[in-house]
Amino acid sequence: DAKTTQPTSMDCAEGRAANLPCNHSTISGNEYVYWYRQIHSQGPQYIIHGLKNNETNEMASLIITEDRKSSTLILPHATLRDTAVYYCIGRGVLSNFGNEKLTFGTGTRLTIIP
Amino acid sequence: ETGVTQTPRHLVMGMTNKKSLKCEQHLGHNAMYWYKQSAKKPLELMFVYNFKEQTENNSVPSRFSPECPNSSHLFLHLHTLQPEDSALYLCASSQGRGGYGYTFGSGTRLTVV
Repeated sequence: DAKTTQPTSMDCAEGRAANLPCNHSTISGNEYVYWYRQIHSQGPQYIIHGLKNNETNEMASLIITEDRKSSTLILPHATLRDTAVYYCIGRGVLSNFGNEKLTFGTGTRLTIIP
Repeated sequence: ETGVTQTPRHLVMGMTNKKSLKCEQHLGHNAMYWYKQSAKKPLELMFVYNFKEQTENNSVPSRFSPECPNSSHLFLHLHTLQPEDSALYLCASSQGRGGYGYTFGSGTRLTVV
């Protein structure tokens, strides 16, 4: 599975766009990038995933560079409720059953400042 | 409410006690997982179940004993734990083979005294 590197922490002003970078230089051509977040003392929550093209859903946008070595998660209008740890995950190692196992790193602690 | 329910939310147990954590999902998912999250550490995958069969055990000590009676329920039986086992225990489920769409419960905060 691809190793990912994220900044330890970031701050963002409320109402502004939060841009969270992730480096995944070892990612293979068929490996997805997944983003999850974990609000304090809760379970992680799926945000978005992508392969090559940029993706957008109701929560966020994902911008993947053309060489696929890095990506950026964008929260367009950050609110205080977006304060959380954000995890960028490369394709998980396949379990014995063939489904992906998510391996979480330390993520980026995003703090939204009022 | 995420669709994955874990009980209890908090548990304090002595090192000689036996207790069980419960996880329940009615999302129709076929895979269920136990993760452990210790303070200041990343989530660690403990067990994986697919169609109620255990398919992964990541070298978890035998004092943790999982049980999956059906695809909707997952238990983690605990006995003779150590204080360093204190952590947040998270259950998750997923459908299909992709790494997206994992649904996590809110976890059980376990304290071993």
